[in-house]
Amino acid sequence: DIQMTQSPSLLSASVGDRVTINCKASQNINKYLNWYQQKLGEAPKLLIYNTNNLQTGIPSRFSGSGSGTDYTLTISSLQPEDFGTYFCFQHNSWPLTFGSGTKLEIK
Amino acid sequence: EVKLVESGGGLVQPGRSLKLSCAASGFNFNDYWMGWVRQAPGKGLEWIGEINKDSSTINYTPSLKDKFTISRDNAQNTLYLQMSKLGSEDTAIYYCARCVYTTDYYLFDYWGQGVMVTVSS
Repeated sequence: DIQMTQSPSLLSASVGDRVTINCKASQNINKYLNWYQQKLGEAPKLLIYNTNNLQTGIPSRFSGSGSGTDYTLTISSLQPEDFGTYFCFQHNSWPLTFGSGTKLEIK
Repeated sequence: EVKLVESGGGLVQPGRSLKLSCAASGFNFNDYWMGWVRQAPGKGLEWIGEINKDSSTINYTPSLKDKFTISRDNAQNTLYLQMSKLGSEDTAIYYCARCVYTTDYYLFDYWGQGVMVTVSS
């Protein structure tokens, strides 16, 4: 199975900050990497698919990059509504696996 | 409007079985793969498995393959998750999700609100 390791596990940042969340795969996942945001008590929401494709309706302050085993989600200017937990997800090979999550707190 | 509504959760004793349903509406159910994802309390997300449009392909995460069975009824626009030999480790919120799956991408674009399953005596 491909292991997905996210860092940091907890992130505290201020409104307006540039924020990056990292996801490292245990092997090459060929950019088959999605990002989801989950708020407390809600279902996850797709933000980005295939490393850098923004899902419809997601603000352009969200972006993704990466290749091989290393991937990054960037929020260019943090907004209050961006708090929550972020998960990466690889769909390069079965079984499909999520990262352990990064909890983003707003200072 | 796309809607996915899970049901069938609740409290179940260890070793027993439970079947979850996911009623879909607002889209052509026959045209989509569907999947199940779960989340133990305070934990991360775990992909359970997926089923293709005509049920000819079903994939599971290996640790659940012998306990869980995914099925669908396209006439009823409903996805199912049959769970057996339940243990405390299966206590979680269970989500169904619509899967957009092509040769180029795989994504869960719509999710249900989730249903809680608690395994306890």
